[in-house]
Amino acid sequence: DGGITQSPKYLFRKEGQNVTLSCEQNLNHDAMYWYRQDPGQGLRLIYYSQIVNDFQKGDIAEGYSVSREKKESFPLTVTSAQKNPTAFYLCASSLSYGENEQFFGPGTRLTVL
Amino acid sequence: AQSVAQPEDQVNVAEGNPLTVKCTYSVSGNPYLFWYVQYPNRGLQFLLKYITGDNLVKGSYGFEAEFNKSQTSFHLKKPSALVSDSALYFCAVRPLREESGYSTLTFGKGTMLLVSP
Repeated sequence: DGGITQSPKYLFRKEGQNVTLSCEQNLNHDAMYWYRQDPGQGLRLIYYSQIVNDFQKGDIAEGYSVSREKKESFPLTVTSAQKNPTAFYLCASSLSYGENEQFFGPGTRLTVL
Repeated sequence: AQSVAQPEDQVNVAEGNPLTVKCTYSVSGNPYLFWYVQYPNRGLQFLLKYITGDNLVKGSYGFEAEFNKSQTSFHLKKPSALVSDSALYFCAVRPLREESGYSTLTFGKGTMLLVSP
């Protein structure tokens, strides 16, 4: 999975709790992305960051938050406001925003109990 | 708004036979097209991309894709399928930056490829 790590691999959360998913890359990429994958729906963009200290909402940002304080790190927080958080979450990075293919991490499967 | 259609949820093919996974797209201006593959409980792996130039693009693991502008299609092909090719395949599109500025990548819903021995 090419220099991008996500942790943990599996995560269980009780309703009403916030949880943070980790994403780290050692590819020296400027851009990073968070996607949510649900069966039969493909990938949907949650947030993306073109450069350090900058990020924008994607198509389904409600109930999620991110930060980009370091180039190599782009953590995603799933808040209690996210109504249906059980899903497979994928982090990706690219050399620069838009121009290059994205490299994906192995994913985190979040289950809300 | 840009979109990608993968009309088949599943494609079944026997090992050794040619395979095609279909993709059509809608985008303003010229497209920037990708194919990715996903094995169970893993992230996506890049297979190939089309920007400009030759309509036939060759990628990893013997895969290739043909860009057809008039049909707005970018079908993924392989001359001889392997059992190990069984996986979920995603097509993705975005407009070329020169024409539309920055834009996000839009993925299709995926096509499951099953290759039988």
